[in-house]
This record gives sequence, C-alpha cells and structure tokens, in this order.
Amino acid sequence: RKEVEQDPGPFNVPEGATVAFNCTYSNSASQSFFWYRQDCRKEPKLLMSVYSSGNEDGRFTAQLNRASQYISLLIRDSKLSDSATYLCVVNLNTGFQKLVFGTGTRLLVSP
Amino acid sequence: GAVVSQHPSRVICKSGTSVKIECRSLDFQATTMFWYRQFPKQSLMLMATSNEGSKATYEQGVEKDKFLINHASLTLSTLTVTSAHPEDSSFYICSAPGQAFKGKLFFGSGTQLSVL
Repeated sequence: RKEVEQDPGPFNVPEGATVAFNCTYSNSASQSFFWYRQDCRKEPKLLMSVYSSGNEDGRFTAQLNRASQYISLLIRDSKLSDSATYLCVVNLNTGFQKLVFGTGTRLLVSP
Repeated sequence: GAVVSQHPSRVICKSGTSVKIECRSLDFQATTMFWYRQFPKQSLMLMATSNEGSKATYEQGVEKDKFLINHASLTLSTLTVTSAHPEDSSFYICSAPGQAFKGKLFFGSGTQLSVL
C-alpha cells in the first residue's frame, strides 16, 4: 500500500463549481499534513497546511480525519486558474525529514 | 522571500555523459537540501538529503555512486548524474526548508533531464 494515496483524476469541472479531493495515508504516526499545488513541470507550492480542527483559506477548505487517516481539500467557486495538480503531502515526523508526496490529483477547470 | 535557484532548467545529453544540476539558496542559508525525482504522472520521490559539511543521506534504492551529491556551502548543493542513461530521464527538483519550517519547503524550479 502506498504511503499517501490520491485519485489521480482528472477532475473536469466548469468555472464556479465546487470540487473536493480526498487523500488517505497509511502511517498512523504521521504528524502533519499539507496540500501543495503543482503546475505542469513546475515546482510544487504550498497551498495550505491541514489542521485537525479543519481550516479555511478563502475558497479552499482542508479537513483532517485522523481516525480514518483521511485528508480532504474542498475548492469552492472554481476559477480557471485553479487548474493544476494538487498534491497531498504527509510529514512522518515533527521536523522536515520525511515529507511524503502523493501522486497528485489533476484538476481541469473549463469556461 | 526565500528563493532557491536551480539550473539548468533543461538538459538534453547523450547517453554516457554526466550532468550537474545546481541549487542555490538565495537570501537564506540552507543547511539541508532535499533532492527529488519525478517521472511523468508520478509523485515526487525523495532521492537524497544533502547536509552542508557532511555526507548525503540516500533513500533506499538510489545509487549513491550514480547520483553524486555535494553540499559544499550553506548556499550551494549540487547533484551530478554520472554516466546518464535514457532511464535517468526525469524531472529533478531540489528544495530546502525555511528556518521556521511549517510544511513550507522552498523549491527550485526543477531540471528536466532528457538522455538520448
């Protein structure tokens, strides 16, 4: 089983739609969780951290369910510029030594 | 803000040649640099962790004699792919944690290596 699993997509949605991505992780000792965004052949960029209580940043909402080892990202009012690959990232310790990246979920937002 | 400068951005080389990729931290000191490889439609895979002034730590399955890593200073880390073969063709990218790490890694812009 992969350490971090994501549905690769692509998710094709129209502008203005709400879309949700899910991610599961296998190591129950994982300490921290993040969503990164990666455009084609570009470097990943941190989108947001994921906290146990859930957190929101504008149109983006992240949720964590430790019991189910499940992370989600919700994007409301999708924009064309949201088209990218969204990477679920899990940190296996409290430092930075073991960040594990999922394969990513590709999102395509169309006019 | 902190920036990691990586170059070259693209390399096309013949099989058997060696290719050096450089990553420089600008405006901050990177005592640690992570080197990743990403094949098409796959996740970023950590290859090795370089530490300034000491030997790099390689992940399981990564040949240290093939992928030479040098972290000569607090601002420069290099990855040399020795005797490159077509199967080494991939996207290589480096990253460094900021001082106050909160999941934020500063990534280089990546190097697309194509070995003919």
